[in-house]
Amino acid sequence: EVQILETGGGLVKPGGSLRLSCATSGFNFNDYFMNWVRQAPGKGLEWVAQIRNKNYNYATYYAESLEGRVTISRDDSKSSVYLQVSSLRAEDTAIYYCTRGYVMDAWGQGASVTVSS
Amino acid sequence: DIQMTQSPASLSASLGETVTIECRASEDIYNGLAWYQQKPGKSPQLLIYNANSLHTGVPSRFSGSGSGTQYSLKINSLQSEDVASYFCQQYYDYLFTFGSGTKLEIK
Repeated sequence: EVQILETGGGLVKPGGSLRLSCATSGFNFNDYFMNWVRQAPGKGLEWVAQIRNKNYNYATYYAESLEGRVTISRDDSKSSVYLQVSSLRAEDTAIYYCTRGYVMDAWGQGASVTVSS
Repeated sequence: DIQMTQSPASLSASLGETVTIECRASEDIYNGLAWYQQKPGKSPQLLIYNANSLHTGVPSRFSGSGSGTQYSLKINSLQSEDVASYFCQQYYDYLFTFGSGTKLEIK
């Protein structure tokens, strides 16, 4: 069974930073691209970042609205992917989902991030 | 970025009805389109990919169609468990973009 579990969410002050983790199991992690997608309260979905696999030299791509403030990384030995977000703003308040694949066919339950003083 | 315009924003239909949700891309996305269903309080789930391919385990009352810049999701014989928000997403361009979503309710 495919499992995706995000951790690391919480309350962060404006200007702070946060590292989200996504642990996976039940599939060959090395074969897949991985993404982060976020959803602000009561709003739609926003793709944040993608990291490709070793075959694609771990290439990374970012939403233009967030570029420069986010970094996606992965550790194939731990079947895990990470998202570092810096200079956090109130508008970064959202549930952050970790998703599998170029076609996002599996999603975690999400990690809630609240940016507030 | 490719812009995705989704309509309607909300939809109310009766059980057993057929509903259609539309998505228009700002440029040709060559069938690089997925549809997701998000039930209240849950994570989104993939329904359709490549514009018209049904994801494993998705009921056959869901179908996708379209080409170029115009795509649609059709739900036949609406069931109570179909109450959800639906989102289209293009992946033709590697900078993925989503439609704004359609909230489906039962009359």
